[in-house]
Amino acid sequence: KAGVTQTPRYLIKTRGQQVTLSCSPISGHRSVSWYQQTPGQGLQFLFEYFSETQRNKGNFPGRFSGRQFSNSRSEMNVSTLELGDSALYLCASSLQAGGGYNEQFFGPGTRLTVL
Amino acid sequence: QKEVEQNSGPLSVPEGAIASLNCTYSDRGSQSFFWYRQYSGKSPELIMFIYSNGDKEDGRFTAQLNKASQYVSLLIRDSQPSDSATYLCAVIQNSGGYQKVTFGTGTKLQVIP
Repeated sequence: KAGVTQTPRYLIKTRGQQVTLSCSPISGHRSVSWYQQTPGQGLQFLFEYFSETQRNKGNFPGRFSGRQFSNSRSEMNVSTLELGDSALYLCASSLQAGGGYNEQFFGPGTRLTVL
Repeated sequence: QKEVEQNSGPLSVPEGAIASLNCTYSDRGSQSFFWYRQYSGKSPELIMFIYSNGDKEDGRFTAQLNKASQYVSLLIRDSQPSDSATYLCAVIQNSGGYQKVTFGTGTKLQVIP
């Protein structure tokens, strides 16, 4: 069974631009969660989607948004990029919503650099 | 106070020794607890999860949970150089009817040959 895939793997943007990242979960998984990982803040939860609905949201500004399609693939969008948005963006898929009793499988991540 | 706290390390242990990694959390209502391992440049991978007070063993790994004291720990017996990685503690809490995942910042483990 194929794992979680994320595209692109690396991205370089300039301040003010916007970016869209994509995540394809493991086949059969309906939940996709997004995380931002930086050396100083660690792994921070952005949001979770289940069955095309946002189920949970972290403490990030409205510039960060996402959506999920009927095939469970998810996209994350960041508008008006800032230098501080440079990070590794990870998505994780699980069978059901919530990270509680469901193991999350992480993708390889997208490394975003904002210049 | 951070919701989930871990000592950033590095924690250095000799090969063959027991490595003890600790994590404390602030929300008494936290329900479940996960330990992830993350090698440099890679994404996290699940090692163990624990829901109930006490110990849970899986091979060389033992997770310990004490809800009264609000800590969870991971013991790695017979540590190997391949165990050198950052270990992330994740805590699941109920938040507004949904479950919220909070990660600690991780403890870097170095196993010295």
